Amino acid sequence: SQTIHQWPATLVQPVGSPLSLECTVEGTSNPNLYWYRQAAGRGLQLLFYSVGIGQISSEVPQNLSASRPQDRQFILSSKKLLLSDSGFYLCAWSVLTSGRDTQYFGPGTRLTVL
Amino acid sequence: AQSVTQLGSHVSVSEGALVLLRCNYSSSVPPYLFWYVQYPNQGLQLLLKYTTGATLVKGINGFEAEFKKSETSFHLTKPSAHMSDAAEYFCAVRDSNYQLIWGAGTKLIIKP
Repeated sequence: SQTIHQWPATLVQPVGSPLSLECTVEGTSNPNLYWYRQAAGRGLQLLFYSVGIGQISSEVPQNLSASRPQDRQFILSSKKLLLSDSGFYLCAWSVLTSGRDTQYFGPGTRLTVL
Repeated sequence: AQSVTQLGSHVSVSEGALVLLRCNYSSSVPPYLFWYVQYPNQGLQLLLKYTTGATLVKGINGFEAEFKKSETSFHLTKPSAHMSDAAEYFCAVRDSNYQLIWGAGTKLIIKP
């Protein structure tokens, strides 16, 4: 069966510090991968999605970036965090055989920027 | 363009009462519709989805939803609420690029 991992689970970082969040998927090949953010009082905001290694689409201009160095690894990064980057970050995957549009979510990372 | 509207950011029901969470959508293509549930500080879990075929869809935890094309609705129901149902619920519709368009979410509060 497929599983998705995210780490760290929680993170407290000062403003201006760098960020690296990692997401890995097991048990499937060539998944579509997604990064979402939930800010306090807001819904789900799609940040990035990827249909393959090195292929990243950005949905919202911001100081975050994403990379996909391996088929089942998706990384969210920032060079300098802002207060507004605080939130709950969710990684998700989907594959064609499950009806490509059905997304399965990881446990999330709670980021607090102080 | 696709969009999703969830009526009510918070819904409160008594334990044992009917749960009804409303979702209306707009879509320029035949809609694929989803309900997800999110417990505090956890990821989202798929409750159920409608793609084609039977318009009444049964999901996990006793939830079901009915696709009504004429009303452009996909409301989520459960006959009898349980304390463990307290969570946030998200409705979503697939867009033409296979991405999901999300509603703002509804927090379900269960009163003892």
